[in-house]
Amino acid sequence: AQSVAQPEDQVNVAEGNPLTVKCTYSVSGNPYLFWYVQYPNRGLQFLLKYITGDNLVKGSYGFEAEFNKSQTSFHLKKPSALVSDSALYFCAVRAPSAGGYNKLIFGAGTRLAVHP
Amino acid sequence: AAGVIQSPRHLIKEKRETATLKCYPIPRHDTVYWYQQGPGQDPQFLISFYEKMQSDKGSIPDRFSAQQFSDYHSELNMSSLELGDSALYFCASSPPGGTYNEQFFGPGTRLTVL
Repeated sequence: AQSVAQPEDQVNVAEGNPLTVKCTYSVSGNPYLFWYVQYPNRGLQFLLKYITGDNLVKGSYGFEAEFNKSQTSFHLKKPSALVSDSALYFCAVRAPSAGGYNKLIFGAGTRLAVHP
Repeated sequence: AAGVIQSPRHLIKEKRETATLKCYPIPRHDTVYWYQQGPGQDPQFLISFYEKMQSDKGSIPDRFSAQQFSDYHSELNMSSLELGDSALYFCASSPPGGTYNEQFFGPGTRLTVL
């Protein structure tokens, strides 16, 4: 079964410091991995994805993620955190099913709090 | 840029009532997905449609049904509402190309069942 784990409920970072939000996955076949961000009372916004190719994926708002096949991880990173990055972050995997690779399976989410 | 539109944004219903949620995908997107996000939970996949045909089914209760119309908009119909149906319901769409494309989410419909 496909699954995604986000081991941290919350990550606290000082503004200007680097941040990492962790994600590990378990899939059969090729992993198609995504990061989304959710601000309060808002929908999910796409940040970046890994399909194939370079293990370091660059996305929106200065975020990047590193795909590590041996560790089955896809950690989200940013070199310098902003207070406005404070939000709920979801890692997701595109899961195969009878209908194809349709649904996203989400991790439990990690709340990022960036302090001034 | 056009985004996914969902209506209504908020809905309050009584137990055992019915509700209809609407979703208008981004123009030229051919696939629509529905997700349910309970309080403090991650989004759970309900159902998806590709070119107006159901393409995948997740943890959607039998009391719920959905369809995609000729203009690609989709409706989620919910009957015999229960307190546990209170949640944020997201619609997402993706462009042609299938597997590799990200899903673009709407702002959600917050359903409260009293």
